[in-house]
Amino acid sequence: SQTIHQWPATLVQPVGSPLSLECTVEGTSNPNLYWYRQAAGRGLQLLFYSVGIGQISSEVPQNLSASRPQDRQFILSSKKLLLSDSGFYLCAWSFVGELFFGEGSRLTVL
Amino acid sequence: RKEVEQDPGPFNVPEGATVAFNCTYSNSASQSFFWYRQDCRKEPKLLMSVYSSGNEDGRFTAQLNRASQYISLLIRDSKLSDSATYLCVVNRNAGNMLTFGGGTRLMVKP
Repeated sequence: SQTIHQWPATLVQPVGSPLSLECTVEGTSNPNLYWYRQAAGRGLQLLFYSVGIGQISSEVPQNLSASRPQDRQFILSSKKLLLSDSGFYLCAWSFVGELFFGEGSRLTVL
Repeated sequence: RKEVEQDPGPFNVPEGATVAFNCTYSNSASQSFFWYRQDCRKEPKLLMSVYSSGNEDGRFTAQLNRASQYISLLIRDSKLSDSATYLCVVNRNAGNMLTFGGGTRLMVKP
């Protein structure tokens, strides 16, 4: 069966520090992969999606970036975090229109 | 206008009550529709897909009205465990691009 893992689950970072969130999917090949962000009390905002290795599409301009170095690995990064980057980050993969989410990474930028 | 809009609530209902949520979408070319459930501080999970003919799964009934561009979710005989945020999700094109509404929070009281 397919599983999706992301880490770390929780992190507290100072403004201006770098960020790296990692996501891996098991049990499927060439999945569509997504990074979403959910700010406190808000809906999910699509940040990036990828249909294959090295193929990244960005939905909103920001100081975040994404990379897909391997088929089942998706990484979200930032060189310098802003206060507004705080939120709940969710990695997901899709199959026949349904999204399967990782357990999320809760980021607090201080 | 947001692509997918929901009343954020909260809807406070007693156990056993029937409650309904609506969700409107702006893109008339949208092809697939879903309801996801998100528990507090957890990742969203698929509750049910919404078919053109409407569909029912136990106490849950989903309806689609393409002419008016809205979908609905009806929950009968509410349980305490139904307390969660319900996210309306629309596939905006033929690919796997899902747009989430901001969610409707339901609180079922004893």
